[in-house]
Order: sequence, then C-alpha cells, then structure tokens
Amino acid sequence: EAGVAQSPRYKIIEKRQSVAFWCNPISGHATLYWYQQILGQGPKLLIQFQNNGVVDDSQLPKDRFSAERLKGVDSTLKIQPAKLEDSAVYLCASTQGGEKLFFGSGTQLSVL
Amino acid sequence: KQEVTQIPAALSVPEGENLVLNCSFTDSAIYNLQWFRQDPGKGLTSLLLIQSSQREQTSGRLNASLDKSSGRSTLYIAASQPGDSATYLCAVGGGSTLGRLYFGRGTQLTVWP
Repeated sequence: EAGVAQSPRYKIIEKRQSVAFWCNPISGHATLYWYQQILGQGPKLLIQFQNNGVVDDSQLPKDRFSAERLKGVDSTLKIQPAKLEDSAVYLCASTQGGEKLFFGSGTQLSVL
Repeated sequence: KQEVTQIPAALSVPEGENLVLNCSFTDSAIYNLQWFRQDPGKGLTSLLLIQSSQREQTSGRLNASLDKSSGRSTLYIAASQPGDSATYLCAVGGGSTLGRLYFGRGTQLTVWP
C-alpha cells in the first residue's frame, strides 16, 4: 500500500515570495490534514478536510495561507506572501475515518 | 486549550536499558492518546493508539498506559536498541473534531551500543 506522498521535499524561498506544497493521501482516505511543525516543537494542525470540504481551519493564518482539496483526493497548501516565521516542516496526513493517522515525509520550508 | 508536555526532552541510554517516557495533558476530555515516532527528515509513524476508555496498549517491546483522570500517559520501551533512537511524540485527540491532535514537543531518545 502506497503511503502519503508529499512534494517537494525541500523548498528555500525569500520572504514575501509565494510557495505551494502538494499532498496525495492514501487511496480511499476521506480525511486529510495539514500540520505545521516548527523546529523543536510538536506539529500543529493547520487545516482538516473531509472529502473536499473544510472541517477545521481555525488555526490557519488565512491572511497568507490557503488550502484546497479539489475532487476530494490530493491537496495543495499555499503561502503568499511568506514570512520568516513560516520556516517549518509542513506535514500532510490522512485517515480513512478511523483515528490512526498516516503521515507523509513532509516538506521542509526555509524562508530567508 | 489543551496543553501537552513531555518529559524528559532528551534521553541518552546504553543499549539494553528499559525506558519510560512521560506525557501529561491539561484537559482530561480526550478521545484518545497516540504515541508517534519521528526519525530525522521523515514523517511521523504511529506506534500505539489508546482509546479514552482503555488503560493501556502493547506492541512488541512497547507498552503505553493512560490515566485520563490524572492527565498522564507513559510509554515504556523494554530492552532498548540503537534502532530505537528517534524522537517520540505524544499526541492527544480532542477538541471539536475527531482526528484533531494536540502534540507535545517530543522526547529525543538516543540509544548507544
């Protein structure tokens, strides 16, 4: 069974630039999550999708972050414009509706 | 707001030792508690999931306990091996939506031969 796929693995940008991350969840998993993990901290939920609808985006900085999950499969997370404090690993996870989450390897973002 | 704390932040032990990692949380109204393993440059791997109605779960050399009333969980690793070296994260499931996890900062474990 293929796992959660994320790309790119690494991204380096300058502040005020825009960036996008892609996630393809495990086939058949209806629920998809984006987490942000700042160095030395635990992951923090940014947004949760159920199929192509948003369930929870209460911690998403909506002035600069956006996410979509068209057709209820893969998802894109965008930051525009990026700030220095956005440097982090962005993790995508999915679940079939149970409680065990499967995580991708993440995208490491450095904002200079 | 749920706060999750893990102690110790780092641990270095010789191979063969039995270990205890601690996790505490402030709000006992949880759905479940999970322990994850994170290797450098990789995502998280779920190790054990304890439902709020359960007291413990076991998988191989790993045993996790949950005391919801006191807001504590422990992860016990028996006969540690160098391959166990990783960061161990505790996550509490709660809030308004199922699947929302609140993570601790993790315990960085090093097991040397």
